[in-house]
Amino acid sequence: EAQVTQNPRYLITVTGKKLTVTCSQNMNHEYMSWYRQDPGLGLRQIYYSMNVEVTDKGDVPEGYKVSRKEKRNFPLILESPSPNQTSLYFCASSPRQGASSYNSPLHFGNGTRLTVT
Amino acid sequence: GIQVEQSPPDLILQEGANSTLRCNFSDSVNNLQWFHQNPWGQLINLFYIPSGTKQNGRLSATTVATERYSLLYISSSQTTDSGVYFCAASSNFGNEKLTFGTGTRLTIIP
Repeated sequence: EAQVTQNPRYLITVTGKKLTVTCSQNMNHEYMSWYRQDPGLGLRQIYYSMNVEVTDKGDVPEGYKVSRKEKRNFPLILESPSPNQTSLYFCASSPRQGASSYNSPLHFGNGTRLTVT
Repeated sequence: GIQVEQSPPDLILQEGANSTLRCNFSDSVNNLQWFHQNPWGQLINLFYIPSGTKQNGRLSATTVATERYSLLYISSSQTTDSGVYFCAASSNFGNEKLTFGTGTRLTIIP
């Protein structure tokens, strides 16, 4: 089944303890992205990747890191989590984006609810 | 960057009613998509529609790119249509990333 898989679904951690949220897609998509969703603010992009070894900042990149060593995986790393990073996180992928994005719908994972105390 | 505005912010309807959700955007777009977030939080892609009209069952969408808006129509609403509907767009100019609106929360009452 074609899908975007995020793990874990729920995570409670303490301030400063490094964590990684994994994201994997099995559709051979070039484009992958991370979003956070907060009440009243909608979905905001954290980082995105147009292809392997190509990553770029979104709207709210501070406090996050990403890597794209393989096409299928795009982990989100919080080196020193803080309470303001408590949020619902989504990974997404599509065949491509931008000017060459013809017929490239974005597919989302099921989300990771992170709480930082 | 591109601005994306959705209206109305909230909509409550009786089962069986029809609804129209609107998405306005500030620039020419090369990418316009509609999503449904169900009550369990899952985000489902409904339409990829930078221009023209598409239909999928009871749902249809129309984007008038020259007038910078898109409409999502839901006919004969069912309780399973409840949730939040987002549109997202990227501009022909700038860094081409998708920008999301803040959504329309639709509640269908049995």
